[in-house]
Amino acid sequence: DSGVTQTPKHLITATGQRVTLRCSPRSGDLSVYWYQQSLDQGLQFLIQYYNGEERAKGNILERFSAQQFPDLHSELNLSSLELGDSALYFCASSRIRGGYTFGSGTRLTVV
Amino acid sequence: GESVGLHLPTLSVQEGDNSIINCAYSNSASDYFIWYKQESGKGPQFIIDIRSNMDKRQGQRVTVLLNKTVKHLSLQIAATQPGDSAVYFCAEMRTGANSKLTFGKGITLSVRP
Repeated sequence: DSGVTQTPKHLITATGQRVTLRCSPRSGDLSVYWYQQSLDQGLQFLIQYYNGEERAKGNILERFSAQQFPDLHSELNLSSLELGDSALYFCASSRIRGGYTFGSGTRLTVV
Repeated sequence: GESVGLHLPTLSVQEGDNSIINCAYSNSASDYFIWYKQESGKGPQFIIDIRSNMDKRQGQRVTVLLNKTVKHLSLQIAATQPGDSAVYFCAEMRTGANSKLTFGKGITLSVRP
């Protein structure tokens, strides 16, 4: 157990729908990062939050949004889902300096 | 733009041999590098890291080498075991408040019994 908790582990939904992925960071970590992993793209950075504030954005689509709450958990919202959004979505957390600790991911399948 | 890439997509080694996984990076501003291991169905797991003011760092059975002149990073695994079979990613970061890890594509290490 890495200390980073992601729910749900698996999600199957239809095109056009909206889903919310949840992440609880490791205790004491203020930064949360979201990554998308697909077969041909590797791990792509989506967005970073630090203590409730957005800090950096990567290749995140306008249909996707995220937030970090006062208790530091984060949610990634994916809307108007397309088949191409099927992927593994990872959350990671970190302290000020150092590497990231990743959760086990949410496998999203859009049918 | 910045990029981190791996030279080879797959690597097959005999159990007990040493493995060397190579990685090239293009952003000379990166000051922190990490190797991650990802097993099937799991998230990436931290293996070892190195800062840009070092050229070598050793862990338990693993060594990371950094050559800043040619922007090259390598991971050496001694006495490779079946449990080492996984996908390995190199990642680079520019440390700071808005730091983010940029990952390479990943290389699959397969250990033959």
